[in-house]
Amino acid sequence: AQKITQTQPGMFVQEKEAVTLDCTYDTSDPSYGLFWYKQPSSGEMIFLIYQGSYDQQNATEGRYSLNFQKARKSANLVISASQLGDSAMYFCAMRESGSARQLTFGSGTQLTVLP
Amino acid sequence: NAGVTQTPKFQVLKTGQSMTLQCAQDMNHEYMSWYRQDPGMGLRLIHYSVGAGITDQGEVPNGYNVSRSTTEDFPLRLLSAAPSQTSVYFCASSYGGQGGSPQHFGDGTRLSIL
Repeated sequence: AQKITQTQPGMFVQEKEAVTLDCTYDTSDPSYGLFWYKQPSSGEMIFLIYQGSYDQQNATEGRYSLNFQKARKSANLVISASQLGDSAMYFCAMRESGSARQLTFGSGTQLTVLP
Repeated sequence: NAGVTQTPKFQVLKTGQSMTLQCAQDMNHEYMSWYRQDPGMGLRLIHYSVGAGITDQGEVPNGYNVSRSTTEDFPLRLLSAAPSQTSVYFCASSYGGQGGSPQHFGDGTRLSIL
């Protein structure tokens, strides 16, 4: 079974609107972390936001927030007030406590922001 | 800050050739990793290291070797290049402490095997 599932290969959003990118995960480890990375067309991997499995509150970083629903094993990324520069590939990734700090990635969602 | 530096950025090889992808980090991170990224897929872990002198295999290790003689450097060696190894390779490093310290990625190496 896939550990990280991103079911939206592509998404479109109008500039200035909010968008939610879906991520579900599968683990039996009670201690884990969830990360979102952005990969623009230039290719680099940019860290956006982190959520720990024991964190009581949803993580937020500027226009990025993480809708963490532990019982449903979902960690959706919400981008508010989308900008043209948000057009990129977005990856959800998980790090389990026994993984020597290595990440397992989903297949990504290509987000296109429309003017 | 240099962060994670990968060289070369682009490389074309012929089948059967060998080469080394270089990775260096200046953040004194304990953990370093190599991933490959293929079209339509996320990054997959090739090899990783939790400190100098310690390496281990990831999800797709076949055809690759690594070593970690210093904290700073973590080269990836292709022993006998195959077309299936055409990919974008990313090196990453992270702090070994607890919590949400993210992996920092290099800019990637685009490798084509003819």
